[in-house]
Amino acid sequence: NAGVTQTPKFRVLKTGQSMTLLCAQDMNHEYMYWYRQDPGMGLRLIHYSVGEGTTAKGEVPDGYNVSRLKKQNFLLGLESAAPSQTSVYFCASGRSSVIYFGPGTRLTVT
Amino acid sequence: AQTVTQSQPEMSVQEAETVTLSCTYDTSESDYYLFWYKQPPSRQMILVIRQEAYKQQNATENRFSVNFQKAAKSFSLKISDSQLGDAAMYFCASNAGGTSYGKLTFGQGTILTVHP
Repeated sequence: NAGVTQTPKFRVLKTGQSMTLLCAQDMNHEYMYWYRQDPGMGLRLIHYSVGEGTTAKGEVPDGYNVSRLKKQNFLLGLESAAPSQTSVYFCASGRSSVIYFGPGTRLTVT
Repeated sequence: AQTVTQSQPEMSVQEAETVTLSCTYDTSESDYYLFWYKQPPSRQMILVIRQEAYKQQNATENRFSVNFQKAAKSFSLKISDSQLGDAAMYFCASNAGGTSYGKLTFGQGTILTVHP
């Protein structure tokens, strides 16, 4: 079991560029989540999904879009990156009260 | 809505000693869970311990235990026999039950330093 994996691990973007972060889980979990972590802060929920084909907004959804076309994958898109989106992005998945986090993606927008 | 507050930005402890990290929370939910996560420099989020709010007994995992005071909305983490590998950022978090399991609200974190 690979658990929760994220691609890429690091990325540098210029303002206005777009990109997609890929999250994959092999634990057959229904629920998947995208969080961001800014320096000196805890994680904040961006978007989440309670099953294939469903998505919902979290605490800080502006500037992001997501898709859950397959149960095992959850994609996070940035259509027009801004410096304020410089952060570490974590994907997570779970079925019950415990969720499992991926290793994170460090994104820098210049 | 839920809020989680960690009032100790930094804590330090001598190896083999005991340290307690504080956390307070606020929620309108009747069914919720509380968690402590550890984040070492590798940035991986590691679940240390969890507490179900309806259980009065404090959770324990080896050297880690919690003091859950539901009426006071307090959830502190005690680390006994501290080890160098315990050095990390620690986050307190809460969620609501039901389908909101993974919708965690995190505190600001406490950096724990362990001195040899």
